[in-house]
Amino acid sequence: SQQGEEDPQALSIQEGENATMNCSYKTSINNLQWYRQNSGRGLVHLILIRSNEREKHSGRLRVTLDTSKKSSSLLITASRAADTASYFCATRTNDMRFGAGTRLTVKP
Amino acid sequence: DAGVIQSPRHEVTEMGQEVTLRCKPISGHDYLFWYRQTMMRGLELLIYFNNNVPIDDSGMPEDRFSAKMPNASFSTLKIQPSEPRDSAVYFCASSPATAVIGGPDTQYFGPGTRLTVL
Repeated sequence: SQQGEEDPQALSIQEGENATMNCSYKTSINNLQWYRQNSGRGLVHLILIRSNEREKHSGRLRVTLDTSKKSSSLLITASRAADTASYFCATRTNDMRFGAGTRLTVKP
Repeated sequence: DAGVIQSPRHEVTEMGQEVTLRCKPISGHDYLFWYRQTMMRGLELLIYFNNNVPIDDSGMPEDRFSAKMPNASFSTLKIQPSEPRDSAVYFCASSPATAVIGGPDTQYFGPGTRLTVL
């Protein structure tokens, strides 16, 4: 069963704008990860944030985690057309559970 | 390293036939995961192994599905008999106990096998 739920399901923005995607989950976690999936390809790991961390940066990515609200957000700054993909959050307890994903379209 | 290797990349079969999907994890990884992805259900974890031992198979939909990992470099997911509702993309992923890049728990996905059951 799915653990994380991404919001929105789909997001369309112009190149250069920022994209924010949210993830909510149900149970306590050890860490939360974000993955990207280009159409027809496997998932690629982007960033991991541990349950005792509140914010993490990696290049144009910024992830926040609020364990009290059981939610996380992924911010992509200065988006590019190449960022067009589906983005999934995954929560780690004893195993890994993925959400349904947010489909991001960045228009050139 | 070539990454996680899956074969075949595409499989078209008829209902009732046996289907075997194959996966070669990244050398040295301790964990191997099988996922199924469909538009309706998203990405579902079917089963995962640690050091070749199945740890959690609660995601396996029914007895028609079975998975084995006879050694550290090979795993199979078998569907017998196959049904049209099994049509999906099946991903294999592997994960090290600890990783140099990405930190622990990072999973590395294969390209997937697109299964179509007619």
